[in-house]
Amino acid sequence: DAKTTQPTSMDCAEGRAANLPCNHSTISGNEYVYWYRQIHSQGPQYIIHGLKNNETNEMASLIITEDRKSSTLILPHATLRDTAVYYCIVRVAGGAYNTNAGKSTFGDGTTLTVKP
Amino acid sequence: EAQVTQNPRYLITVTGKKLTVTCSQNMNHEYMSWYRQDPGLGLRQIYYSMNVEVTDKGDVPEGYKVSRKEKRNFPLILESPSPNQTSLYFCASSFAGGNEQFFGPGTRLTVL
Repeated sequence: DAKTTQPTSMDCAEGRAANLPCNHSTISGNEYVYWYRQIHSQGPQYIIHGLKNNETNEMASLIITEDRKSSTLILPHATLRDTAVYYCIVRVAGGAYNTNAGKSTFGDGTTLTVKP
Repeated sequence: EAQVTQNPRYLITVTGKKLTVTCSQNMNHEYMSWYRQDPGLGLRQIYYSMNVEVTDKGDVPEGYKVSRKEKRNFPLILESPSPNQTSLYFCASSFAGGNEQFFGPGTRLTVL
């Protein structure tokens, strides 16, 4: 899996958009960008993923640059409950017989603190 | 309810006493994986399984064993635990590899 680089920590005011960047300059053509978050010591929670197009769901938006070397997770209206560690990872596309899809490297993530 | 369960949630043991942490999922997922999390080191993958009877090493497999005899279960075995295996352990599952993973609640293990 390609390695990702994220800032160690970020702050955001409650109600404002939180923009979390991720660099993945060695990403391969068949690797997706995934975002997870972890609140305290709970199990990580899936947020969103994408290949090359921008994606949006009920939790967040994902913007992937045209060269796919970086991406940004956007939480449009951050709340105090969004305070968490956010992980950006890249993974080979799924498939029962694609053993390369088994490896998963999370890195250190970004600690986002949403302040009142 | 679709979920990944782990047992026990907390365990304190002594060096050398064999233990097993169980992981079970009810979503018919092919892929399962174990991670450990230590302060300042993020999540590191121990072992993963692409399907029944198919397992492979992650980044930190030393001192651990796994088995995948049934699709729903993926136990993590520590044959001779040591203090450096004190950690927070997470099990995860997904449809095939490379897809969205669902994580269990974690098992906090202390080896004295």
